[in-house]
Amino acid sequence: QKEVEQDPGPLSVPEGAIVSLNCTYSNSAFQYFMWYRQYSRKGPELLMYTYSSGNKEDGRFTAQVDKSSKYISLFIRDSQPSDSATYLCAIGGSQGNLIFGKGTKLSVKP
Amino acid sequence: EADIYQTPRYLVIGTGKKITLECSQTMGHDKMYWYQQDPGMELHLIHYSYGVNSTEKGDLSSESTVSRIRTEHFPLTLESARPSHTSQYLCASSGRDGYNQPQHFGDGTRLSIL
Repeated sequence: QKEVEQDPGPLSVPEGAIVSLNCTYSNSAFQYFMWYRQYSRKGPELLMYTYSSGNKEDGRFTAQVDKSSKYISLFIRDSQPSDSATYLCAIGGSQGNLIFGKGTKLSVKP
Repeated sequence: EADIYQTPRYLVIGTGKKITLECSQTMGHDKMYWYQQDPGMELHLIHYSYGVNSTEKGDLSSESTVSRIRTEHFPLTLESARPSHTSQYLCASSGRDGYNQPQHFGDGTRLSIL
């Protein structure tokens, strides 16, 4: 079993839709959780960072962590064509190194 | 916005050449990382450094080497490039306050070995 599982998609939604992106992980020792956005031919850009169970909101983005289920989600409200990108979850343990999911490719159609 | 720079952005070069990929950051971060990213695959850590004169191999075996002589600079070298080295290479850095710091990435070097 891989340490981090993420559905690669692709996911296509109409503009204005609510998008839900998810990852599962296997090691309960993982302590902190991140979401990155990566546009084509660019490096990953940090979107959200959290280390506790529950929700964290930043504008149209909400990160949700459920440690009991080892499940993390990123919700995007009122999605825009500019949100079209690949979204990577990243999960970290105590040693400081991150383990990344494969990324979900999202396309928001006008 | 993170200040981490990678050069060159694109490189097409023949087999057997020696290659150095440059990575510099202006944030004073202690920790720096090199990842390999292939289409549709996870980022794989190939090297990391906790500070000057510290280098460690990552989870993915790599024929490349790295050095960390200055805090801001973390170059990656391939002594003799092969087609199997064709990939995107991403450099990242993170701050010194404990391990729980997010990593900030450069825009990568897309390497193609003919």
